Formats: sequence, C-alpha cells, structure tokens
Amino acid sequence: GENVEQHPSTLSVQEGDSAVIKCTYSDSASNYFPWYKQELGKGPQLIIDIRSNVGEKKDQRIAVTLNKTAKHFSLHITETQPEDSAVYFCAAILAAGNKLTFGGGTRVLVKP
Amino acid sequence: SAVISQKPSRDICQRGTSLTIQCQVDSQVTMMFWYRQQPGQSLTLIATANQGSEATYESGFVIDKFPISRPNLTFSTLTVSNMSPEDSSIYLCSVETQLNTEAFFGQGTRLTVV
Repeated sequence: GENVEQHPSTLSVQEGDSAVIKCTYSDSASNYFPWYKQELGKGPQLIIDIRSNVGEKKDQRIAVTLNKTAKHFSLHITETQPEDSAVYFCAAILAAGNKLTFGGGTRVLVKP
Repeated sequence: SAVISQKPSRDICQRGTSLTIQCQVDSQVTMMFWYRQQPGQSLTLIATANQGSEATYESGFVIDKFPISRPNLTFSTLTVSNMSPEDSSIYLCSVETQLNTEAFFGQGTRLTVV
C-alpha cells in the first residue's frame, strides 16, 4: 500500500517568515494530494490540494508543489501569521480505492 | 463542501462499555469513512462505511470491535465496543461528495476510557 512520510515533525518560525513542509509518497499511482490543517480540538480542515497533472497550485499565502518523478510534494506558507499555528497533515490517495494515507503531521508554531 | 455533524463531541466512558458515535452530513455523499487519531498522532483509517452493506475494514480493525452502520447516503454510526483505556482517541468521520474528490472531516469525537 501507500506510505507517506512528512518532515519536519515540528517547525517554529518567526511571524512574517515562510514555512515549508515536505512529504514523500511511495506509490507512483497516487494521483491526488491534499493538505489539512488541524487546530486544537477540531477536525482536519482541507486547505489546499493538488492533482498529479499539475505541478504547482497557489491560494493566497499558501502554495503546494508536486514533483511526480521524485514522488514528493511540499506545502509553502508565506508571510506566516500566529493563526497559522496548527498541525498540518499531508495525504495521498491511490488512483483506485479512494483511501487517504496521511503523513505523520507537522506541528507549526508561529512566534509573534 | 459538506457540513458534517458528529455526536457526541466528547465522552468519558467506563472500560467494558460501548459507545456509538453518529455522523450526519447535510447532503448525499458517495463515500463515508471512519478514522482514529490517537493522542499526538496522525490519522488512521478504520473502515469505509458502505451504504446498505457491511463496512470495509482496514488491517488491524475488526467488525466485532468497531461495528459500523450506514443506512443511507447521509448518516453513519461507529460503535467502539468493550472499551479499554487503549481506545482513548479522537474518532473522526470523513466524507467525499464525489468519487476521488476532496475529503471533508467532522469535528471529531474525543473519547476517554477510564
């Protein structure tokens, strides 16, 4: 089955700086890669996603890049704000089965 | 997107008892899933809830421990049976509105077994 690894496990940045989280996946058949933000006491919230036919996608301060050859994808948050502090999860879906496989999560702390 | 309501939001239960968690969606969805998130950990898929038939369980999860129902396209339940402290986790309902599209999560049920 699919295996998703996520790094780093914790990330501390100064407000206004950028944050980058990287994930690798094992199955080249995976074709959909969502990112979730989970705040304390809440369920994961979908913040951005990318499909295998696209190399990059942006939505305001967040962007995701995908390198299919290397089987890795990254989340970029620019101009970080304290409200960006949360746990972020990457995930991958195999083309068949529609089962989300999650990375281990990254706890992001934005220091004012 | 879909609005997902989970009940209860949290509970403290005695070991040996069972708890049923409900997931209600505001629109018909194709796929419904149940996940477990142990303290400080990532999400692990328990099973896919199939409408009108038995759920499809992932390795390590069995129907006797986690019976699941899905009587229609908007509602599902997960029961955690014969609970032990090791079952203390957040249990999350997730839905996909169409095949191979975005997955949305409920707010989760925080279960503590004492």
